Amino acid sequence: DTAVSQTPKYLVTQMGNDKSIKCEQNLGHDTMYWYKQDSKKFLKIMFSYNNKELIINETVPNRFSPKSPDKAHLNLHINSLELGDSAVYFCASSRGAFNSPLHFGNGTRLTVT
Amino acid sequence: GENVEQHPSTLSVQEGDSAVIKCTYSDSASNYFPWYKQELGKRPQLIIDIRSNVGEKKDQRIAVTLNKTAKHFSLHITETQPEDSAVYFCAANSKPGPKGTSYGKLTFGQGTILTVHP
Repeated sequence: DTAVSQTPKYLVTQMGNDKSIKCEQNLGHDTMYWYKQDSKKFLKIMFSYNNKELIINETVPNRFSPKSPDKAHLNLHINSLELGDSAVYFCASSRGAFNSPLHFGNGTRLTVT
Repeated sequence: GENVEQHPSTLSVQEGDSAVIKCTYSDSASNYFPWYKQELGKRPQLIIDIRSNVGEKKDQRIAVTLNKTAKHFSLHITETQPEDSAVYFCAANSKPGPKGTSYGKLTFGQGTILTVHP
């Protein structure tokens, strides 16, 4: 069983569209994250939820809206997609918010044309 | 906030040689330092981590050292093999602020592309 699973794996869409990425973890972790990896491979945190509560909200355009219906799920909705949103988005989870290993999903490669 | 600098950005070695990747961090309160390996097209995976109460940790061919005074930590890979070729990331945490303000988080270095030539 995949510990952190995210869907879809690939997402190709046009500018201006709205899209969602879903993430689920079966590790029993209480904290989940969204990271963005750009073309230069830099991993930057976007959001983090601890027990369904938003605890990290980096400088991300408000077109990005995370939603955590429960501790095991963290979804990412993106409105009005722009070319610069093209990247690989990784979901991750951990036990505790800042001092334990992150378990990453396999990533969603988003291409905006 | 935490700032993590990683060097070198690329590293090329011959099979059997050692590889060393270095990172510095800015937050003196940081106490958790993991290293991740990301193969091409795959997800980052933890390979080793160290906490601030120890200076060195080893797991087979991989070791990590931590110098809290100088605020730097390093990854050492001995007897490198072609399958060690990947992007390696260091990271450091920052402690949370009071509830309702900035929570602790893990900040990653810029990554090192390691290539091991057969």
